[in-house]
Amino acid sequence: AQSVTQLGSHVSVSEGALVLLRCNYSSSVPPYLFWYVQYPNQGLQLLLKYTSAATLVKGINGFEAEFKKSETSFHLTKPSAHMSDAAEYFCAVSGGGNQFYFGTGTSLTVIP
Amino acid sequence: DAGVTQSPTHLIKTRGQQVTLRCSPKSGHDTVSWYQQALGQGPQFIFQYYEEEERQRGNFPDRFSGHQFPNYSSELNVNALLLGDSALYLCASSPRGTAGTYSSYEQYFGPGTRLTVT
Repeated sequence: AQSVTQLGSHVSVSEGALVLLRCNYSSSVPPYLFWYVQYPNQGLQLLLKYTSAATLVKGINGFEAEFKKSETSFHLTKPSAHMSDAAEYFCAVSGGGNQFYFGTGTSLTVIP
Repeated sequence: DAGVTQSPTHLIKTRGQQVTLRCSPKSGHDTVSWYQQALGQGPQFIFQYYEEEERQRGNFPDRFSGHQFPNYSSELNVNALLLGDSALYLCASSPRGTAGTYSSYEQYFGPGTRLTVT
């Protein structure tokens, strides 16, 4: 069975500071992992995905994530936060049949 | 290239009523999945359609049903609405050949339909 846990339902950072959003996964098979972003009243937009090709994955808008099998983690980072990064972020793992299992989300606030 | 589209954008219904939500997948995609996102929660998988049949189902009651048409578009129907059905309903599509597989293909999401049950 597959699942993800996102630690911290709310994260606040100052503009220009490092963004770190945490995600741990559980999977009975080698996982495919995804980070999505959701802006208010919108659907989900893919930020990046891990497909086993490389452990450090670069995505859009300066975000990246590192797959660490030993820690069963796939944390999302961005070196310098921008006001436009304020949104809800979801980690997801792909299950059998391409069904996605999502975490409960982390709301990112950027303080000017 | 149009992405995933959903209609309507917003909907208000009364308890006990029935509702139909619609989704058109991204061009080149033939698999449609539906998710329910309650306020403050992550999306929860309802079911997935491929070749006009329900292929997978999450932990949702039979009040939730769907349909897929030959042009790959899909409908989600909810009968006997409850207050707890109030949520954002998201449709996602994925490319041909990924249905029923364990793959790395991402799902492309529509903007959602906000359903409010009063």
